Amino acid sequence: AQSVTQLGSHVSVSEGALVLLRCNYSSSVPPYLFWYVQYPNQGLQLLLKYTTGATLVKGINGFEAEFKKSETSFHLTKPSAHMSDAAEYFCAVSDPNNDMRFGAGTRLTVKP
Amino acid sequence: NAGVMQNPRHLVRRRGQEARLRCSPMKGHSHVYWYRQLPEEGLKFMVYLQKENIIDESGMPKERFSAEFPKEGPSILRIQQVVRGDSAAYFCASSQAPGMNTEAFFGQGTRLTVV
Repeated sequence: AQSVTQLGSHVSVSEGALVLLRCNYSSSVPPYLFWYVQYPNQGLQLLLKYTTGATLVKGINGFEAEFKKSETSFHLTKPSAHMSDAAEYFCAVSDPNNDMRFGAGTRLTVKP
Repeated sequence: NAGVMQNPRHLVRRRGQEARLRCSPMKGHSHVYWYRQLPEEGLKFMVYLQKENIIDESGMPKERFSAEFPKEGPSILRIQQVVRGDSAAYFCASSQAPGMNTEAFFGQGTRLTVV
């Protein structure tokens, strides 16, 4: 079965700084990869997804992620953090015939 | 097209009571996933169901927990004889059949408090 590892349960950046949230996956078949965001007391919202095609995927709110097969990674980045980006971020993996599995999450804090 | 609907949003139960959490998937979605989020912890997979079938329940505790997704009606996550440790947010997600659209849409969650 597939699995996801998110490196760093907490990440803190200053407003305007680069955001980098790490995700590595394990899958026996070509994976579908997702990043979700969860704001306090809310459900998860999809930020972006990779299925096939271009390996650099752009999502909402200025986020993007790059699928690197050789590194089995799907790291999430944003060039300039905003206070409103403070939330918990989850990386997820699924394959065409299996269920979706999430990483443990990374809590992003943005300092003024 | 309404999103994934979970009810109740908040549920308080005394120890030993039963908790029933409901999830209505998005229209046209036949796959439902349940996840538990404990305070200060990540999202833990519990169970994956299709209509009338449990596909993967490897994340479900062996006792007191059960889930169903009947042909008609919502998916139900049932917790019998609740204990304080069951207090958590329970999220449901739904997706279309596996394939290009395996993106899951989440409900707002049910926050269970056991007193």
